[in-house]
Parts: sequence; C-alpha cells; structure tokens
Amino acid sequence: EDQVTQSPEALRLQEGESSSLNCSYTVSGLRGLFWYRQDPGKGPEFLFTLYSAGEEKEKERLKATLTKKESFLHITAPKPEDSATYLCAVAGNQFYFGTGTSLTVIP
Amino acid sequence: DTAVSQTPKYLVTQMGNDKSIKCEQNLGHDTMYWYKQDSKKFLKIMFSYNNKELIINETVPNRFSPKSPDKAHLNLHINSLELGDSAVYFCASSQDRARRGNTIYFGEGSWLTVV
Repeated sequence: EDQVTQSPEALRLQEGESSSLNCSYTVSGLRGLFWYRQDPGKGPEFLFTLYSAGEEKEKERLKATLTKKESFLHITAPKPEDSATYLCAVAGNQFYFGTGTSLTVIP
Repeated sequence: DTAVSQTPKYLVTQMGNDKSIKCEQNLGHDTMYWYKQDSKKFLKIMFSYNNKELIINETVPNRFSPKSPDKAHLNLHINSLELGDSAVYFCASSQDRARRGNTIYFGEGSWLTVV
C-alpha cells in the first residue's frame, strides 16, 4: 500500500540552527516527490519537485534531496521567516500528501 | 495575476444551508482539484477534473457536488451543511494529472465555518 510519512511532526529551532525534515515514502513507481511550504491562513506554496534518486534542488536556505525511500529537506541557518508547515507529497499510483512538519524558528 | 483564485475566502453559515465555493485558474492547466484540509493540516483529495471530465471522486458525502463548466473553472456546491463540514477547502490545478508527476498549484483556501 502506498504511504507517505513525515517526521518530526513539529520542530523548534534557534535561529541559525541547521536541521533536516524527513519524508519517507512507499509507492509503486515514483513519478515525483514534491515539497510545499504552508503559512498560516494560506494555501500550500510549491517549493521543489524531485524525480529520481540522487537528485537535489536548492532554493535560498532550503535544499531537498531524494533517495529511493525518503527525501530530506535541509534547512541551513534558518531564520524566523522560515517558520511554516512543510508538506511532502508523492506521485505514485495516486497522489499522496504527508501530514506535514510544523517548523518554528526562534529568534 | 493570481494563478488559482477561489471565492469566498471566509464563509460562516448555519447548519442546513446550501453554499458554493468558486474556483478559477489562469495557468492554462487541464486538471483541477478540490482538497479538504483538516485541523491537523492533512490534505485530503475530494474531487479532480481533467478537461471538464471527473477523474477522481473520493468517498465524500453526496451533499458535495463539483461542477466544471470549462477547464479553467471548478466550483464546489455543498447542500444541507453540517457542523462536520467546517474545514478549509483548497482548489488547485496542475498541467495534467498529478499522479503522472505534474506539480499541483493551490489557491489560498476557503475557510468554511458551519454554526
């Protein structure tokens, strides 16, 4: 059965304290793994798409990586404005969202 | 130049009423969706249309009825609203079916509160 799991559910970081969010997946025939950012009161905002193991994408302080079983969203030297919920989604037999990681960056 | 726009943003209504949420996308996409997000931020697919054809119809009460007059519009009508329908409803679109690896773009959401 296809499945997407994100961890941790919540993460609190000090400003400048780098860390990683995890998205583990089990899907038949991965056609893409997607990362989104969602701010309170807003819709999910697309960040990255990864299509094959070994692929990496970067945007400012964020870097997404992909293996055959999981993806990481690395946040380098985070700032308070990086606080948001980060959602992972995978395209397999269907399209599945994870339950998200709520990130809080403390000044 | 909003890509996916939905109205209204906030909707407070009484139990038993009928309401509609409208959605439009100007991205030229072929596929549109309605998602429901619960209090734990989980996004659950409700419906999807591709070129005005219903392609995903998840297990939702038949009080919920989507309608796509053209491929740029997907509206959601809800009959006989219940307290449990209170949630955030997101409209979204993608170039083609998301399960084929196409990126989904979301609207800003419609906050429905049933009292």
